[in-house]
Amino acid sequence: GENVEQHPSTLSVQEGDSAVIKCTYSDSASNYFPWYKQELGKRPQLIIDIRSNVGEKKDQRIAVTLNKTAKHFSLHITETQPEDSAVYFCAASKSSGGYQKVTFGTGTKLQVIP
Amino acid sequence: DAGVIQSPRHEVTEMGQEVTLRCKPISGHNSLFWYRQTMMRGLELLIYFNNNVPIDDSGMPEDRFSAKMPNASFSTLKIQPSEPRDSAVYFCASSSRDRGDIEKLFFGSGTQLSVL
Repeated sequence: GENVEQHPSTLSVQEGDSAVIKCTYSDSASNYFPWYKQELGKRPQLIIDIRSNVGEKKDQRIAVTLNKTAKHFSLHITETQPEDSAVYFCAASKSSGGYQKVTFGTGTKLQVIP
Repeated sequence: DAGVIQSPRHEVTEMGQEVTLRCKPISGHNSLFWYRQTMMRGLELLIYFNNNVPIDDSGMPEDRFSAKMPNASFSTLKIQPSEPRDSAVYFCASSSRDRGDIEKLFFGSGTQLSVL
């Protein structure tokens, strides 16, 4: 089955700096890559996603890049703010048995230091 | 829409007791997922329903776990008997197909289960 690896597991940055979280996946059939943000004690929420036919997508301070050949994708957060502190999960999704099977990475705990 | 609604938010029970977790998906969503989250294993898919039918239950850890979806607006996850290693946060998520076969998941607030 699909295997998604995520690095780093923890990340501390100064407010205003950039943060980058990287993920790799194993199954070349994966075609959809969402990112979720989970604040302490709350539900995971979709913040950005990218389909396999796109190399980069940007939404204000966050962007995601995808390299299908290397099977890796990354989340970039610029001008970080304290409210960006959370656990971020990447995921890879592919069609399996008639539905999209989503496999999550293990998460990155981001701490933005004021 | 109120989003995916789960109950209870917290459940503390003793080993051997039956636990029932409940989920109400977003109206109009035809897919429902149950996930378990632990520090060690992250987010694990337990079971997936599409149009109220269980499609993939390969993630259900053992026979002590069962899930039902009697109608489009309600699902339950039951653990009987519960064990301390079942302690985790259990999330329900729903989705609808978006432009073909992409499913965007919307999570509930989760149930924090503690089995003593």
